[in-house]
Amino acid sequence: DVKVTQSSRYLVKRTGEKVFLECVQDMDHENMFWYRQDPGLGLRLIYFSYDVKMKEKGDIPEGYSVSREKKERFSLILESASTNQTSMYLCASSQGPSGNTIYFGEGSWLTVV
Amino acid sequence: QKEVEQDPGPLSVPEGAIVSLNCTYSNSAFQYFMWYRQYSRKGPELLMYTYSSGNKEDGRFTAQVDKSSKYISLFIRDSQPSDSATYLCAMSDDGNKLVFGAGTILRVKS
Repeated sequence: DVKVTQSSRYLVKRTGEKVFLECVQDMDHENMFWYRQDPGLGLRLIYFSYDVKMKEKGDIPEGYSVSREKKERFSLILESASTNQTSMYLCASSQGPSGNTIYFGEGSWLTVV
Repeated sequence: QKEVEQDPGPLSVPEGAIVSLNCTYSNSAFQYFMWYRQYSRKGPELLMYTYSSGNKEDGRFTAQVDKSSKYISLFIRDSQPSDSATYLCAMSDDGNKLVFGAGTILRVKS
């Protein structure tokens, strides 16, 4: 079974803190994604990566950065957390340009106070 | 206007009912269409995948895509309480970057 693991399920951080969300996939997938999910808005793409050390902005990249130093690991970084970044963050991975191979992690619930 | 529109519900049905979930979209370049099921506090799991137009059936689930109307549907036959979840439609032009609907909350009552 494909596994996408988000190491932190529930986090509470203070405004201004630097926050790291880690994601690891075990299927040697080329593509990795970070989404955030908010009620009434669905999932929105923050950043994605099609290769190691490569990254591209999604629809809502402001306030976020990413790092992909190894193929299996894709990190989302909040440089200075703000309360409007309180959300559920979902990591996903896929192989190739086929929509039926996109797998999601369990999600990381971040609360910024 | 959102690129993908989906009624958020909640949709409440009795056990055994046929459920119809729908999404409309505006981008004619979309050619990959997916339905995800998401249980509370869990990540989405792929339920149905369709490339281009047509129907696809998998057990109690049927996905339909009408590209001329920019409309997709998911039908659930003989609905069960375990089907209670949020259903998300998603679509893509390149098969990788997905655009999601807001999700429909479904409640199946026993």
